[in-house]
Amino acid sequence: DTAVSQTPKYLVTQMGNDKSIKCEQNLGHDTMYWYKQDSKKFLKIMFSYNNKELIINETVPNRFSPKSPDKAHLNLHINSLELGDSAVYFCASSQDKGDWTQYFGPGTRLLVL
Amino acid sequence: TQLLEQSPQFLSIQEGENLTVYCNSSSVFSSLQWYRQEPGEGPVLLVTVVTGGEVKKLKRLTFQFGDARKDSSLHITAAQPGDTGLYLCAEAPGYGNKLVFGAGTILRVKS
Repeated sequence: DTAVSQTPKYLVTQMGNDKSIKCEQNLGHDTMYWYKQDSKKFLKIMFSYNNKELIINETVPNRFSPKSPDKAHLNLHINSLELGDSAVYFCASSQDKGDWTQYFGPGTRLLVL
Repeated sequence: TQLLEQSPQFLSIQEGENLTVYCNSSSVFSSLQWYRQEPGEGPVLLVTVVTGGEVKKLKRLTFQFGDARKDSSLHITAAQPGDTGLYLCAEAPGYGNKLVFGAGTILRVKS
């Protein structure tokens, strides 16, 4: 069984569109994260939720809005997509916000044309 | 925000060779993690080191944390094509704070 899953794996879209990426974890973890990995492989955190509560919100354009319907799911909605949003987006989870053992999903490769 | 520097940026070697990659900081690490990311996949945690001078081994991989906790190294013995990937170090700061990743070392092991 996949521990952290993301859909879709690939996403190609036009500038200006709105898109969502979904993430689910079946590990029973309390904390989930969204990371962005740019073309140079640099991995940076965007958001973190603990038991559906936002606990980390980095300097991210407000076009990005995370939503956690329950602690097993953390979705990322992006409005008005821009060329610079092209990247790989990873979801991750950990037992709780103090546990540094993070489990990453396989990533969503977003290409904005 | 602490800046983590990884070197080399890219390493291409033949199967059977040994290699070492490094992670350095100007500040003291709280604790340090090493991840491996295979092409097309997410990062996978290899090890967490906490104590200065600590050495951990994972099969052919040896992780060392500097005495002053400002640097760390990952040594791979007899590299295999399956070791190919992106090796990332990350600092795990205080409770509830975010992981900060280095830029990574891309390793390619040719058979």
